[in-house]
Amino acid sequence: EAQVTQNPRYLITVTGKKLTVTCSQNMNHEYMSWYRQDPGLGLRQIYYSMNVEVTDKGDVPEGYKVSRKEKRNFPLILESPSPNQTSLYFCASVVVAGSYNEQFFGPGTRLTVL
Amino acid sequence: DAKTTQPTSMDCAEGRAANLPCNHSTISGNEYVYWYRQIHSQGPQYIIHGLKNNETNEMASLIITEDRKSSTLILPHATLRDTAVYYCIVSLNDYKLSFGAGTTVTVRA
Repeated sequence: EAQVTQNPRYLITVTGKKLTVTCSQNMNHEYMSWYRQDPGLGLRQIYYSMNVEVTDKGDVPEGYKVSRKEKRNFPLILESPSPNQTSLYFCASVVVAGSYNEQFFGPGTRLTVL
Repeated sequence: DAKTTQPTSMDCAEGRAANLPCNHSTISGNEYVYWYRQIHSQGPQYIIHGLKNNETNEMASLIITEDRKSSTLILPHATLRDTAVYYCIVSLNDYKLSFGAGTTVTVRA
């Protein structure tokens, strides 16, 4: 089954404690992306990657890092989490075939930083 | 990317067609119209997209006006499981999508 998986699904942590949210896709997509969703602000892109070792900032990259060492994985790293990073996070991978484009989203990771 | 305007919310009766409007008056000639939906904090789900022609798939139909300044997503026979937030997005490509507030659709039995 084609899917995007994220782990953990829920996480409560404390300010300053480094954490990593993993994202993996089994569809061999080149393009992957991270979003955060906050009430009243919609989904905002954090980082994206157009291929292995190619990453770039989205709209809200401050406080986050990413890496793309292999095509299937795109982890999101919070080196020193702060309470304003409490949010719902989604990873997505994109299939592109001619004019057909579709983003496949993971189930989400709900992060609370105390 | 062009911005879109959607109603905040709408209700629909189960079994009836749901017509979701979207205005995108500043859309450029090569921007696509995409529709996604999000069911209660799950990951958004792709529904359909189009450039200028009307499109139909197993989930919905997309009607784009001739001047491309607006579009309508049609769910032909709404079910309770179609209750969700529906996002209309215009974009040059699917690499980056700007999700607005969307339309909260409630399907009632």
